[in-house]
Amino acid sequence: AQSVAQPEDQVNVAEGNPLTVKCTYSVSGNPYLFWYVQYPNRGLQFLLKYITGDNLVKGSYGFEAEFNKSQTSFHLKKPSALVSDSALYFCAVRVGSGTYKYIFGTGTRLKVLA
Amino acid sequence: ETGVTQTPRHLVMGMTNKKSLKCEQHLGHNAMYWYKQSAKKPLELMFVYSLEERVENNSVPSRFSPECPNSSHLFLHLHTLQPEDSALYLCASSQGPGTYEQYFGPGTRLTVT
Repeated sequence: AQSVAQPEDQVNVAEGNPLTVKCTYSVSGNPYLFWYVQYPNRGLQFLLKYITGDNLVKGSYGFEAEFNKSQTSFHLKKPSALVSDSALYFCAVRVGSGTYKYIFGTGTRLKVLA
Repeated sequence: ETGVTQTPRHLVMGMTNKKSLKCEQHLGHNAMYWYKQSAKKPLELMFVYSLEERVENNSVPSRFSPECPNSSHLFLHLHTLQPEDSALYLCASSQGPGTYEQYFGPGTRLTVT
């Protein structure tokens, strides 16, 4: 079965420190991987995606993610966390260029402490 | 933020009521989606429309009935809901399938009493 796992319900990091939010996936075929962020009382906002090419992708608000095919991971990273980065982060995968279906993880709550 | 709008933002309804959720996208996208978001669960895809044709229907109970009159508007008609249907209902749109990201509305917080 195809799945996405976000192993941490919550990640705490001090402001100014680097942050990592983990995502692993299990799919057959080439994955298209996405990260979204959700602030309170808002819908999800697109951060970045990996389709093909360079394994390190850069996205909005200084976030980046590294695609690792051998480890089937797509971890979200930021060199220096801000308090305003505190939110709920979702990893998602699509399989196949013609599919509309996303598989989402359960989300990781990031808390950046001042 | 204004690319995808949803109304109402909050809805409280009894189990015997009928109500509708509305979604409108101003992005010129071809696909629209309904999701259900419950605490500590992955987003559940309910329905997908592409160019007004339903392309995904994920075993959703018949008390939820979608309608897509054109590529900019999407409705979710609700009737005889159960308390476990209480959740945040999110609408999204995308240019297409596969590699395209989705743009989400702010959601409708539904409470079934």
